[in-house]
Amino acid sequence: ETGVTQSPTHLIKTRGQQVTLRCSSQSGHNTVSWYQQALGQGPQFIFQYYREEENGRGNFPPRFSGLQFPNYSSELNVNALELDDSALYLCASSWEYTEAFFGQGTRLTVV
Amino acid sequence: GESVGLHLPTLSVQEGDNSIINCAYSNSASDYFIWYKQESGKGPQFIIDIRSNMDKRQGQRVTVLLNKTVKHLSLQIAATQPGDSAVYFCAEKWETSGSRLTFGEGTQLTVNP
Repeated sequence: ETGVTQSPTHLIKTRGQQVTLRCSSQSGHNTVSWYQQALGQGPQFIFQYYREEENGRGNFPPRFSGLQFPNYSSELNVNALELDDSALYLCASSWEYTEAFFGQGTRLTVV
Repeated sequence: GESVGLHLPTLSVQEGDNSIINCAYSNSASDYFIWYKQESGKGPQFIIDIRSNMDKRQGQRVTVLLNKTVKHLSLQIAATQPGDSAVYFCAEKWETSGSRLTFGEGTQLTVNP
């Protein structure tokens, strides 16, 4: 166990809806990154948050947004869901930019 | 763009054999490399890392080799066990990327009893 927890574990949404995924980082960690992992592929970086500010973003459209809270937990929000958004969403936390520890992920299915 | 890739999508070995999983990277600015293990339904689990100023690092039953000349990374698992069956990813990071990791597509390792 890494100490990084994500909720919910599974989620089914309809195309066009909005979704919020949550991540509780490991105690003492101040950096959170989010990744999207399509079936059979490696995780793709979405963005990272450092001390409550977005600090780096991958090749994802603006409908992917996030927040980091004072306790360093984080949310990933996706608006106007598309079928291709179906994936495992992973959260990773670290202290500053050191080794990242991943959560178990949230399996999102868009129908 | 820059990416990290793996040579083989699947690898099947007998229990007790040594396994070697390979990875090619293209970003010469990368200065930190990590191997992750991902079991079905779980998030990636850190195995071992290596910095670009090293060419070899050993852990418990695992060794990572880095060849910067040909931009090649490998993970060696000694005395492979059924519990080693999983997908293995290499990932890279560079100094200005913060905690951002660039992953390859993964190699599925199957250990036959």
